[in-house]
Amino acid sequence: QVQLQQWGAGLLKPSETLSLTCAVYGGSFSGYYWHWIRQSPGKGLEWIGEINHGGTTNYNPSLKNRVNILIDTSKKWFSLTLTAVTAADTAVYYCARGWDFQVWGQGTTVTVS
Amino acid sequence: DIQMTQSPSSLSASVGDRVTITCRASQDINTFLAWFQQKPGQAPKSLIYGASRLQSGVPSKFSGSGSGTDFTLTINSLQPEDFATYYCHQYDSTPYTFGQGTNLEI
Repeated sequence: QVQLQQWGAGLLKPSETLSLTCAVYGGSFSGYYWHWIRQSPGKGLEWIGEINHGGTTNYNPSLKNRVNILIDTSKKWFSLTLTAVTAADTAVYYCARGWDFQVWGQGTTVTVS
Repeated sequence: DIQMTQSPSSLSASVGDRVTITCRASQDINTFLAWFQQKPGQAPKSLIYGASRLQSGVPSKFSGSGSGTDFTLTINSLQPEDFATYYCHQYDSTPYTFGQGTNLEI
């Protein structure tokens, strides 16, 4: 059974860089796109971006200039960095597997204050 | 971006009821639609993908239908554990987008 375990800093100051990592346990790592999604009371669920096993990425244009997603196939990790955060980036951040988001991480609450 | 509009935004029902939630896409998304259930403080849980295919382990009381722009999620014989917020999500084209959610309450 596939599990996604995520971690990263939960409290940031404005202008700092958000950094989160998601590890994949069990199941196949290749053959899927791996995603970052966030959820805030004001904006609901928002797709941030995706990466595949070969490192091909797609980002939400609303965040494209600030976001970077990387993958480490040897460790079965993928990571999210979001630069120059503001209060508007306060949200619960999730990692997920596949275009249908079949499997989700547990979520990380990120507060920018 | 493809806009996903769910209705209703909230729904009151009773144990044993059957309910239907609708999701409309702003353009044709074929059957690239998924449904999720989310309970407070938890990550979303995938219920349906491909508009009508049940994820492994999801009870058959959940069913989905539709294609193109109009989709429905039906839940039969509501049980207390079914009261949650439900979201639709399109994965036809990036940026992938979500409906605003339907809060199903007792």
